[in-house]
Amino acid sequence: DIQLTQSPSSLSASVGDRITITCRASQSIVAYLNWYQKKPGKAPTLLIYAASSLHSGVPSKFSGSGSGTEFTLTISSLQPDDFATYYCQQTYSTPWTFGQGTEVGLK
Amino acid sequence: QMQLQESGPGLVRPSETLSLTCIISGDSLRGYYWNWVRQPAGKGLEWIGRIYNDGGTKNNPSLQGRVTMSIDTSQRQLSLQVTSVTAADTGIYYCVRVDQLKSGASDLWGQGTAVTVSS
Repeated sequence: DIQLTQSPSSLSASVGDRITITCRASQSIVAYLNWYQKKPGKAPTLLIYAASSLHSGVPSKFSGSGSGTEFTLTISSLQPDDFATYYCQQTYSTPWTFGQGTEVGLK
Repeated sequence: QMQLQESGPGLVRPSETLSLTCIISGDSLRGYYWNWVRQPAGKGLEWIGRIYNDGGTKNNPSLQGRVTMSIDTSQRQLSLQVTSVTAADTGIYYCVRVDQLKSGASDLWGQGTAVTVSS
């Protein structure tokens, strides 16, 4: 199975901050990497697919980059609604796997 | 607009079979396939498997052959069965749409249904 490791596992930030979350794969997944936002009691929502493509309706403050084994999700200016847990997912090979999540909290 | 709605028993006894249903409403099923994903209590997301509109499936080996998925396209209904459940199967179960043009990304999720395995 392809392992995805997110860093950090948690971070504290302030409104207006720019943050970056990293997702590292145990082998190359080309660009088959997606990012999701999850809030407590809610289903995940897709932010970024294919490493860098912004899902429709998602604000442009979210951006993704990377290829091969290293990927990043950047939020350019954190707003109160962005405090959540973020997951990366690889769809390069089955079983599809998720990272362990990065919890973004208010400093 | 498509919507996904899961339903299930809520409580399942250990060693029994968990059965969930997902109703797909709205847009055509064409161009999509379907995942089941779960979030065990206190843990991250886990991919259970996928099913295509023609009924073809791919399961996560971690569930050790306990999973059966099916689809009834005429009824717009997905089904998931997990046999021989244990407490480790407790969690939130989601049915999820995958857009074939988005590299396997899960672009629409049901609201999830909670399952507790307990005697």
